[in-house]
Amino acid sequence: DTAVSQTPKYLVTQMGNDKSIKCEQNLGHDTMYWYKQDSKKFLKIMFSYNNKELIINETVPNRFSPKSPDKAHLNLHINSLELGDSAVYFCASSQRMDVQPQHFGDGTRLSIL
Amino acid sequence: GQQVMQIPQYQHVQEGEDFTTYCNSSTTLSNIQWYKQRPGGHPVFLIQLVKSGEVKKQKRLTFQFGEAKKNSSLHITATQTTDVGTYFCAGPGLQYIFGTGTRLKVLA
Repeated sequence: DTAVSQTPKYLVTQMGNDKSIKCEQNLGHDTMYWYKQDSKKFLKIMFSYNNKELIINETVPNRFSPKSPDKAHLNLHINSLELGDSAVYFCASSQRMDVQPQHFGDGTRLSIL
Repeated sequence: GQQVMQIPQYQHVQEGEDFTTYCNSSTTLSNIQWYKQRPGGHPVFLIQLVKSGEVKKQKRLTFQFGEAKKNSSLHITATQTTDVGTYFCAGPGLQYIFGTGTRLKVLA
């Protein structure tokens, strides 16, 4: 069974569109994260949720809105997509918020045309 | 803010050669983690170091945490083509800062 699964794996869309990425973990972890990895491979935290509560909200544009319906799910909705949003987005989870991200999803490769 | 830098950014080695990547933090870390990301893959947690001066080994990989807990290193002995990928260190802060990564290529 996949520990952290995110969908879709690939997302190709046009500038200005709105899209969502879904993430689910079956590990019973309390904390989930969204990371953005750019073309230079830098991994940057975007959001962190602990038991459905937003803990970290880095300097991310308001166009990005995370939602956690329960502690096993953390979705990411992006409005008005821009060229600079092209990246790989990783979902991750950890047992608790004071523990490092232990499991990552396979990533969603977002390409903006 | 807290920064975690890794050097080198890129490294090409011949199969069988050794490889080392260094991680330096601007602040003292309570612990440090290392991850490996294969090309096209996702980061995979390798190990966590907690104690000052700690050294841990995983087969051909040796991880070290500095005495001052501001730096760490990962050494791979006799690299193999399966070692190809990007190696990241990460340190805790509010946001678990990931290092800039070292991309390793192993030439057969």
